[in-house]
Amino acid sequence: QKEVEQDPGPLSVPEGAIVSLNCTYSNSAFQYFMWYRQYSRKGPELLMYTYSSGNKEDGRFTAQVDKSSKYISLFIRDSQPSDSATYLCAMEGLIFGTGTRLQVFP
Amino acid sequence: GAGVSQTPSNKVTEKGKYVELRCDPISGHTALYWYRQSLGQGPEFLIYFQGTGAADDSGLPNDRFFAVRPEGSVSTLKIQRTERGDSAVYLCASSADGNQPQHFGDGTRLSIL
Repeated sequence: QKEVEQDPGPLSVPEGAIVSLNCTYSNSAFQYFMWYRQYSRKGPELLMYTYSSGNKEDGRFTAQVDKSSKYISLFIRDSQPSDSATYLCAMEGLIFGTGTRLQVFP
Repeated sequence: GAGVSQTPSNKVTEKGKYVELRCDPISGHTALYWYRQSLGQGPEFLIYFQGTGAADDSGLPNDRFFAVRPEGSVSTLKIQRTERGDSAVYLCASSADGNQPQHFGDGTRLSIL
């Protein structure tokens, strides 16, 4: 079993939709959880950084961590075409998921 | 330009050659990380430096891979006797310390022919 599982997509949604991106993980010792956005031919860019369980909101982005289920989520409200990218979850900053490719069409 | 800088942006070489990839971290960042990213995959951890020393090199795939950071700033990833399977994007990241979020460069695209 991989330490981090993430659906590679692609996920295609219309502009304005709410997007839900998810990762599951196997190691209950993980405490730090990150979401990165990666545009084509660019390095990952940090979006959200959370410690332990709970929710964190930043503008249109909300990150949720459920440690009891070993499940993390990123929600994007009012999605825009500029949100089209690959979204990577990361545990402890070192262990990454495969990334989910998101396409937001006008 | 205060971000992480990686050079070259692209490198094409023949199987068996030696390559060096350079990373200039954000000024003042003590932690530096190297990752490898294959197409359709997430970054795969290679090595982590805290200052000049390698704090964790458990991700280096074999002894053909080596990295240095002699003055605690710029780092070089060195690959000997390159193989076609080494073709990937090599990403570097830095953080203020080992517990802070990482900031990535745009990577070096390495192609081994």
